[in-house]
Amino acid sequence: DIQMTQSPSSLSASVGDRMTITCRTSQSISNFLHWYQQKPGKAPKLLIYAASSLQSGVPSRFSGSGSGTDFTLTITSLQPEDSATYFCQHSFSVPYTFGQGTKLEIK
Amino acid sequence: QVHLVQSGAEVKNPGASVKVSCKASGFAFSDYYFHWVRQAPGQGLEWMGWINPNSGGTNYAQKFQDWITMTRDTSISTVYMELNRLRSDDTALYYCARSVAGRPDSAMDVWGQGTTVIVSS
Repeated sequence: DIQMTQSPSSLSASVGDRMTITCRTSQSISNFLHWYQQKPGKAPKLLIYAASSLQSGVPSRFSGSGSGTDFTLTITSLQPEDSATYFCQHSFSVPYTFGQGTKLEIK
Repeated sequence: QVHLVQSGAEVKNPGASVKVSCKASGFAFSDYYFHWVRQAPGQGLEWMGWINPNSGGTNYAQKFQDWITMTRDTSISTVYMELNRLRSDDTALYYCARSVAGRPDSAMDVWGQGTTVIVSS
């Protein structure tokens, strides 16, 4: 199975800040990497697919990059509604595992 | 509107089975793959497997291979996930989700609301 290492596990930032989350995989997965946002009591929401493609309807302050084994999710100009937990997930080979999650608090 | 609507919460005894449904609407059911993902209380997301509603073909995570069954009923645009021999650590919120672009190896762009399954004696 492909192992996912997501960091940090939590962070606190202020409105207007720029934030980056990283996801590292145990083997190369090309661009089969996706990012989700989950708010308490809600289903995950797709933000970025195929490492860098912005899902329709997602604000442009969200962006993704990377290929192979190292990936990043960046949020520029943080907003209060960005407070959530963020997960990466690969779909290169089954099982399609998720990262452990990053809990983002907006101060 | 595109929707996935799941069945209601379940409380089961250890050793029992549970079958969760996920009804699709607003899109061509047979054109997409469906995944099941679960989330234990306060924990992360765990991918369980996918089903191709067109062929009925499935691909399960090896962890669940011997005690999960995914099926579909195309006449009512519904997929099902059945877990057997439930244990207390199967207590979780179970989600169905649709794959982008009709491929199993793509992202999941539409999610159900989740179904709580509690396993307790």
